[in-house]
Amino acid sequence: SQQGEEDPQALSIQEGENATMNCSYKTSINNLQWYRQNSGRGLVHLILIRSNEREKHSGRLRVTLDTSKKSSSLLITASRAADTASYFCATGFSGSARQLTFGSGTQLTVLP
Amino acid sequence: NAGVTQTPKFRVLKTGQSMTLLCAQDMNHEYMYWYRQDPGMGLRLIHYSVGEGTTAKGEVPDGYNVSRLKKQNFLLGLESAAPSQTSVYFCASSAWVMGGNTIYFGEGSWLTVV
Repeated sequence: SQQGEEDPQALSIQEGENATMNCSYKTSINNLQWYRQNSGRGLVHLILIRSNEREKHSGRLRVTLDTSKKSSSLLITASRAADTASYFCATGFSGSARQLTFGSGTQLTVLP
Repeated sequence: NAGVTQTPKFRVLKTGQSMTLLCAQDMNHEYMYWYRQDPGMGLRLIHYSVGEGTTAKGEVPDGYNVSRLKKQNFLLGLESAAPSQTSVYFCASSAWVMGGNTIYFGEGSWLTVV
């Protein structure tokens, strides 16, 4: 399976700190997306970055993409307890961009 | 605007029983999907549909069937449930937004097969 792999699998930080999660993938992509999943809920789309983009911001989120290293990172600045969730990267591959492939996720815990 | 709605939310089945999970979306999306989520394995695509009357196999289609008779509905059937099908099932639909296929998920259906 051409799956994105998140790193670390689990991350625990204090409120106010920044959280960084990484995603690596194996083949050429059309775009990469990050989703959040609160416990017991469905996934919610956070941000999309196209393969020709290197960085994108949305509120407290910053996503970078390095296609030469086949990797992406998601930075959440000034984290809050409400950011506690699992975060997944999803890749849309060239030629099958409609089918996203999800990684196994990073479980982020933000301690108050 | 409800988005993607799945029913039932929870179900317990005995091995060999059959059931259908219902999914409805009100966003007029062409593409719809069924995923399953298991601990440590992320989401895996079961079946998907690119439009009314179409279906296609995903990564893990065995033991499941789907139908898309109406654009807004995508049904997932388990023909003869097995304990290995104990999982959380997510229905989703998608739209092409800003150069990528953004997926909108339902809230999930927890299925236990005993």
